[in-house]
Amino acid sequence: RKEVEQDPGPFNVPEGATVAFNCTYSNSASQSFFWYRQDCRKEPKLLMSVYSSGNEDGRFTAQLNRASQYISLLIRDSKLSDSATYLCVVNLPSRGATNKLIFGTGTLLAVQP
Amino acid sequence: GAVVSQHPSWVICKSGTSVKIECRSLDFQATTMFWYRQFPKQSLMLMATSNEGSKATYEQGVEKDKFLINHASLTLSTLTVTSAHPEDSSFYICSVRPGTRNYEQYFGPGTRLTVT
Repeated sequence: RKEVEQDPGPFNVPEGATVAFNCTYSNSASQSFFWYRQDCRKEPKLLMSVYSSGNEDGRFTAQLNRASQYISLLIRDSKLSDSATYLCVVNLPSRGATNKLIFGTGTLLAVQP
Repeated sequence: GAVVSQHPSWVICKSGTSVKIECRSLDFQATTMFWYRQFPKQSLMLMATSNEGSKATYEQGVEKDKFLINHASLTLSTLTVTSAHPEDSSFYICSVRPGTRNYEQYFGPGTRLTVT
């Protein structure tokens, strides 16, 4: 089983639509959770951290369910500029005190005009 | 502005040659640096972690003698792909972690390597 699993998509949605991405992680010891955005042929960039109580940043809402080891990202009022790959990322504690980030394969979002 | 730079941004080399990729932390001293590799339509895979002043820790399946990592200073790490082969063609991305938070990482723009 992969450490971080995501639906690869693609999700093709019209402008203005609401779209939700899901992610599951396998290691219950995971400590921190993030959503990154990666544009084609570019490096990933942090979109938002995910907190246990859920958090919102403008049109983006992230949720975490530790019991189910499940993370979600909701995008409201989709814009053309939201088209990208969204990566679910988990911070995994490891021996030697150097935590490491584990990336999902990403979910491709294409917002259509 | 950019926090992390990588050089070169893309490189084409012949099979059997070695390629060095530089990663520089521009805004802070990075006690920890990471090297990732990403094949098309796949996720970023961590190759190795290096802490300044000590040897890099390689992930399982990554050959340390093939992918030489040198954390030369608190602002510079290099990855050398030795005796490159076409299957080494990939997108190599470094990231740096400042000493302040244990999870915060900043990614470089990546280096696209094509081995012919």
